[in-house]
Amino acid sequence: KAGVTQTPRYLIKTRGQQVTLSCSPISGHRSVSWYQQTPGQGLQFLFEYFSETQRNKGNFPGRFSGRQFSNSRSEMNVSTLELGDSALYLCASTAFIGTAYGYTFGSGTRLTVV
Amino acid sequence: EDKVVQSPLSLVVHEGDTVTLNCSYEVTNFRSLLWYKQEKKAPTFLFMLTSSGIEKKSGRLSSILDKKELFSILNITATQTGDSAIYLCAVEARGNNDMRFGAGTRLTVKP
Repeated sequence: KAGVTQTPRYLIKTRGQQVTLSCSPISGHRSVSWYQQTPGQGLQFLFEYFSETQRNKGNFPGRFSGRQFSNSRSEMNVSTLELGDSALYLCASTAFIGTAYGYTFGSGTRLTVV
Repeated sequence: EDKVVQSPLSLVVHEGDTVTLNCSYEVTNFRSLLWYKQEKKAPTFLFMLTSSGIEKKSGRLSSILDKKELFSILNITATQTGDSAIYLCAVEARGNNDMRFGAGTRLTVKP
């Protein structure tokens, strides 16, 4: 079955702009989580959605937001981009929390803010 | 505050060597500990551990959890150049729907 699909793969934006990233989970997976990965901070949790509801949120400013659609696809939005938002953004899906198969990650979107 | 610490941060070995990667954690209401391998972009799932003392194995990789001492180890025997990657440890807490990751161990296996 198809894996987790993230689009676009690469993105270059200017400070102050906004960006929307997309994540399509594995078919049947209803939980989608987003993570930011930077060399200095490692992988940090942004938020998690299940059945179109945000169930948990990490310690990121309000410029970072997300949503999930009825088909479980999710988007995250970053407004008023800053240079420090340059990172690899990964999404992960799972069928249910605590499954022995863990979470499946997508290949990520590499965002560069200039 | 929940914390996951991996050591060493970086490791260089030669093919055929055996390596042990460490992960210690502090988390309220621990549910599980997970290991991932990240080569280029997408971390790939290796193991999920929930019970102490039960070793999980997959080929040359194995892992075990000690819930009393709050750590886990990941062993790789007879390393190959294809094992070169960042190995990530993460913990899940009950009631949360997120993973707290360590900084990772960058393993380089030289021919």
